[in-house]
Amino acid sequence: DIQMTQSPSSLSASLGDRVTITCRASQAISSYLAWYQQKPGKVPKLLIFGASALQSGVPSRFSGSRSGTDFTLTISSLQPEDVATYYCQKYGTAPPWTFGQGTKVEIK
Amino acid sequence: EVQLLESGGALVQPGGSLRLSCAASGFTFTAYAMSWVRQAPGKGLEWVSAILGGGGLTYYADSVKGRFTISRDNSKNTVFLQMNSVRADDTAVYYCAKGDMATIALFDYWGQGTLVTVSS
Repeated sequence: DIQMTQSPSSLSASLGDRVTITCRASQAISSYLAWYQQKPGKVPKLLIFGASALQSGVPSRFSGSRSGTDFTLTISSLQPEDVATYYCQKYGTAPPWTFGQGTKVEIK
Repeated sequence: EVQLLESGGALVQPGGSLRLSCAASGFTFTAYAMSWVRQAPGKGLEWVSAILGGGGLTYYADSVKGRFTISRDNSKNTVFLQMNSVRADDTAVYYCAKGDMATIALFDYWGQGTLVTVSS
């Protein structure tokens, strides 16, 4: 099975900072990579699909990129409402459709 | 507006059974795959099972294969998860999630979740 490894597991940054989260797939998954945001006590929300396509309604400060089997979620300017845990997920044709272990983002 | 409403979560003893339901509305139910995703207390997300729109194809995580069964009633816009031989590590919030038009496991809508607690 393909493993999805996120780093870091948590981070603390100041308001306005640029924040980067990385997700590495253990095998090639093309661009079948999604990012979800889960705010405390809330339901996960789809942010990005296809490694870099923004879901409708998601602020433009969020962006995603791919380099081979390495994927990055970037928040260009951290806002208070971005406090959440972020998960990557592979969603190609073959199960299991694995999530990364999550990255908790806090305000410093 | 897409809505997914789970029900059926409860306290169940190890080895017992439970049936979760997810009532869907606001979209053409038969056109979309549906999944169950769970989250143990304080832990991350784990995909559990998926079923295609027609109900003919199902998929399971190794952790639940042979114990859980996913099904759907397209006449009632409802997807089910039958959980048998439950274990303590099945304790989690179980979310119902809708697949995207083109892919089974790109989850564009999620329900609020239902809590399953396995304990004696």
